[in-house]
Amino acid sequence: DAGVTQSPTHLIKTRGQQVTLRCSPKSGHDTVSWYQQALGQGPQFIFQYYEEEERQRGNFPDRFSGHQFPNYSSELNVNALLLGDSALYLCASNQMTGRGDYGYTFGSGTRLTVV
Amino acid sequence: AQKVTQAQTEISVVEKEDVTLDCVYETRDTTYYLFWYKQPPSGELVFLIRRNSFDEQNEISGRYSWNFQKSTSSFNFTITASQVVDSAVYFCALSTGFQKLVFGTGTRLLVSP
Repeated sequence: DAGVTQSPTHLIKTRGQQVTLRCSPKSGHDTVSWYQQALGQGPQFIFQYYEEEERQRGNFPDRFSGHQFPNYSSELNVNALLLGDSALYLCASNQMTGRGDYGYTFGSGTRLTVV
Repeated sequence: AQKVTQAQTEISVVEKEDVTLDCVYETRDTTYYLFWYKQPPSGELVFLIRRNSFDEQNEISGRYSWNFQKSTSSFNFTITASQVVDSAVYFCALSTGFQKLVFGTGTRLLVSP
């Protein structure tokens, strides 16, 4: 049973560029959330996608946008990159069943470096 | 607002010592979920345990045990007889329903042989 898959694993971008990160959720999961983890910090919630719509959003600017596809995979896009966007970006998936099973599964992340 | 505090930034122990990681949380919700995750150098967050706010029964799983006390808003995690492989960053997190996970700043555990 494949877990959460993220690509690429590492990425180096120049300030001002745009980047797209990808996430395939665990089999059977229909909800994807994205988190940003700066060095030495805990993960910070960016947004959550369910049924191809953004359901919740954390305190991140509009430069951060996302998309969920019919197969539940998701993309995170960041425009006009800043040096401060350098971080580990984690994708988490879970199943929105309403049964109270809040089993979040995380991927290994994409390490983004902005120079 | 929800908040998770992990006051211990880094803990160093020698193998076979017991170690407790502290977690204090804040929420106004009566229904919530608490989590512990382990993050090895590879970066992936490894799920360890989830407790809901209605279940204060403490749990033991092998060398791991958890102490959940609503009266003090704490959800502490103990590793008995620590091993070098336990070295990692440990995160406590809080969630209400299908909402976002709110993480603490993490505790780095270093277990030396």
